[in-house]
Amino acid sequence: VQLQESGPGLVKPSQTLSLTCAVSGGSIRSGGYYWSWIRQHPGKGLEWVGYCDYSGSTYNPALKSRVTMSVDTSKNQFSLKLTSVTAADTAVYYCAAYNFGSGSSPDWFDPWGQGTLVTVSS
Amino acid sequence: DIQMTQSPSSLSASIGDRVTITCRASQSISTFLNWYQQKPGKAPRFLIYEASILQSGVPSRFSGSGSGTDFALTISSLHPEDFATYYCQQSYSTPTFGPGTKVDIK
Repeated sequence: VQLQESGPGLVKPSQTLSLTCAVSGGSIRSGGYYWSWIRQHPGKGLEWVGYCDYSGSTYNPALKSRVTMSVDTSKNQFSLKLTSVTAADTAVYYCAAYNFGSGSSPDWFDPWGQGTLVTVSS
Repeated sequence: DIQMTQSPSSLSASIGDRVTITCRASQSISTFLNWYQQKPGKAPRFLIYEASILQSGVPSRFSGSGSGTDFALTISSLHPEDFATYYCQQSYSTPTFGPGTKVDIK
């Protein structure tokens, strides 16, 4: 499985950030993954944003009121929407597969997309 | 949320040095602990899962240990390509990452 993010690199304050992650090399419906977004503020660490599959989604409580994720099985991709953005949402956004491995719950993030920088500025 | 801490936040080391990075969870997470390596401008690379199991393709100089709340990543002999930032991540509950440890050249 390979992942590739796409979307605008510049978003105005108060608007909605929208990103898509295309999944190749496998079906998004195949199971064994939760489809995830992780962001990294410039020069900072990794922050999990949320994950989804075709049955639902789970979000970081700190972002929950502004985040929506969804899976589009027809296009083999998943998406992130973050509303009411501010400069604090400027970050590199990674999509990643939260991998179940051989267990019954998700465990590690692999693979990752290359990341896309989203800047919030007027 | 389970909080993750790492120490040190950065370290300087030489080629061939043995390096150990520690990661601590705010509550017991059994062995639900993973490690990643990140180089500037790149996505993180998955190294170790369930505290001590090397992902396929990861050199054997990397090892992980620990359980409960205290964990460690050890590089037995630093290679030039190992200079990077390392993150731990718990998967016991909704995932959280440690703040990272930057390993740079002395």
